[in-house]
Amino acid sequence: AQKITQTQPGMFVQEKEAVTLDCTYDTSDQSYGLFWYKQPSSGEMIFLIYQGSYDEQNATEGRYSLNFQKARKSANLVISASQLGDSAMYFCAMREMNRDDKIIFGKGTRLHILP
Amino acid sequence: EADIYQTPRYLVIGTGKKITLECSQTMGHDKMYWYQQDPGMELHLIHYSYGVNSTEKGDLSSESTVSRIRTEHFPLTLESARPSHTSQYLCASTEGGWDNEQFFGPGTRLTVL
Repeated sequence: AQKITQTQPGMFVQEKEAVTLDCTYDTSDQSYGLFWYKQPSSGEMIFLIYQGSYDEQNATEGRYSLNFQKARKSANLVISASQLGDSAMYFCAMREMNRDDKIIFGKGTRLHILP
Repeated sequence: EADIYQTPRYLVIGTGKKITLECSQTMGHDKMYWYQQDPGMELHLIHYSYGVNSTEKGDLSSESTVSRIRTEHFPLTLESARPSHTSQYLCASTEGGWDNEQFFGPGTRLTVL
């Protein structure tokens, strides 16, 4: 069974609108971290934001925020005021305390920002 | 700024050649990883290492091999390249602990003719 599920293979959003990228996860660990990465067409992976399982507040980093709903096991990325440069692949990932050597990635969501 | 480097960035090579993709990091991380990724697709873990002299195969079977003789260096070798090896190869490293992110190199885009 997939441990990280990203249900949106592709999304089209108008520039300046907010966008939510979905991510659900599955783990039996109490301690885990959730990560979002951005991959532009150039291919590099850029770390965006982190949420720990014990964090009570949603993480924020500039225009990025993470909507963490622990009971639902979801960790959606919210990008406010989208820009053309936000067009990229976005990957959700998880790292579990009991297997911290492995980072589990979702299949990604391709985001297209329209001018 | 992540201090993890990959060379070459692009490589076009003929079938049957032996190639080595280089990956180095200056952060002193014990854990290093190689991922294979086709354009616009998911990442597949092909190798990882816990530290010097430790290497493990990842989730995706790969004909490549790796070595970890020094903490900072984790090269990947293909003894005989084939067109099916055409892909992007991403190297990453991280500290231990479930709350640390992975740092990625810029990737190597390999094309085997």
